[in-house]
Amino acid sequence: DGGITQSPKYLFRKEGQNVTLSCEQNLNHDAMYWYRQDPGQGLRLIYYSQIVNDFQKGDIAEGYSVSREKKESFPLTVTSAQKNPTAFYLCASSIGQGNQPQHFGDGTRLSIL
Amino acid sequence: AQSVSQHNHHVILSEAASLELGCNYSYGGTVNLFWYVQYPGQHLQLLLKYFSGDPLVKGIKGFEAEFIKSKFSFNLRKPSVQWSDTAEYFCAVSSNTGGFKTIFGAGTRLFVKA
Repeated sequence: DGGITQSPKYLFRKEGQNVTLSCEQNLNHDAMYWYRQDPGQGLRLIYYSQIVNDFQKGDIAEGYSVSREKKESFPLTVTSAQKNPTAFYLCASSIGQGNQPQHFGDGTRLSIL
Repeated sequence: AQSVSQHNHHVILSEAASLELGCNYSYGGTVNLFWYVQYPGQHLQLLLKYFSGDPLVKGIKGFEAEFIKSKFSFNLRKPSVQWSDTAEYFCAVSSNTGGFKTIFGAGTRLFVKA
């Protein structure tokens, strides 16, 4: 079955370290998204990519970086510049540009030690 | 700024009660509207969507939502809830003025008592 795979499920980071969250999809979707979910705040858009080698900042991009070298992969790096990285991170994809997220991954919970 | 507001963070209902979850948005231009649901232990999934046409949209599992343009609202309804409707519900909006980014509300946790 097609879907989105996020890894790892749980991730711990020391302060000052960068960490990369993986997101892979085998749905042949053009667009991919990263959201951050905090209690009481719903999902907030970090970055999105509508096509390979192109991506745009969302509403809370500061302290994060992404790449989209392959259609299937959209990794998110949480840098040391992100002041409050502890959160639940969700990756999503959609079939084409301009479409809403159609499939979501299981998420990665990042915690700071 | 573009925003989506869900009125209730937590709702508790008994089975067979009627449900209405509020959603208001602040957006310019043409909007696309969505409700997503996340059942315990499952992925977020699309419940229903509105792009154009009939403002009353039917979704899966007996849910419906009505787009009222004058009120900037897209409330979710179900006449009679079941225990299996226990989940978190998210309203979301995208707009051509927002570059078709989809913005989510904070979510409403629904608990249905058996």
